[in-house]
Amino acid sequence: AQSVTQLGSHVSVSEGALVLLRCNYSSSVPPYLFWYVQYPNQGLQLLLKYTSAATLVKGINGFEAEFKKSETSFHLTKPSAHMSDAAEYFCAVSPANTGNQFYFGTGTSLTVIP
Amino acid sequence: DSGVTQTPKHLITATGQRVTLRCSPRSGDLSVYWYQQSLDQGLQFLIQYYNGEERAKGNILERFSAQQFPDLHSELNLSSLELGDSALYFCASSPNRDSYGYTFGSGTRLTVV
Repeated sequence: AQSVTQLGSHVSVSEGALVLLRCNYSSSVPPYLFWYVQYPNQGLQLLLKYTSAATLVKGINGFEAEFKKSETSFHLTKPSAHMSDAAEYFCAVSPANTGNQFYFGTGTSLTVIP
Repeated sequence: DSGVTQTPKHLITATGQRVTLRCSPRSGDLSVYWYQQSLDQGLQFLIQYYNGEERAKGNILERFSAQQFPDLHSELNLSSLELGDSALYFCASSPNRDSYGYTFGSGTRLTVV
């Protein structure tokens, strides 16, 4: 079975501070992992994805995530938060042998304080 | 603009009614996926079509159905609507059957009153 747990439904950081959004997964097969961002009244936009290549994945807007198999984690980070980063972030897992169905976490709402 | 077009953007209807949501995938994409996003259930996979054929089915109610047409656009039909069906319905598309990191549309917000 596949599932994703996002720790912290709400995260607040100061502008310029480190952003850390946590994601842990469980998967019965090697997973592919994703982070999506959703701005208000918009669809989900792919930030980055891990598909069994490099464990440190760089995405758009300065975000990156590291796949740690031993910890079953795929935490999202950004060194310096911008006001424009305020949004809802979703971690998702897809079984590598199917690739057609995503299991999403419940989301983390990021607030950036000026 | 993601390239995935969903219409209408907003829909308000009464309980017991039937509605149709439409999705046009990104040019060249053969797979279409439907997701439901609600406050209590989060993002739930409903169904996938690939090149006109149903490929995978998730937590889709029997009152809901979908299809993909020869021009690859897809429709999600929701019938006998209940208050609990109020949600954002997203369509996503990808180039082939098993693709990773698909592109989402901006969604249709359905309100059942």
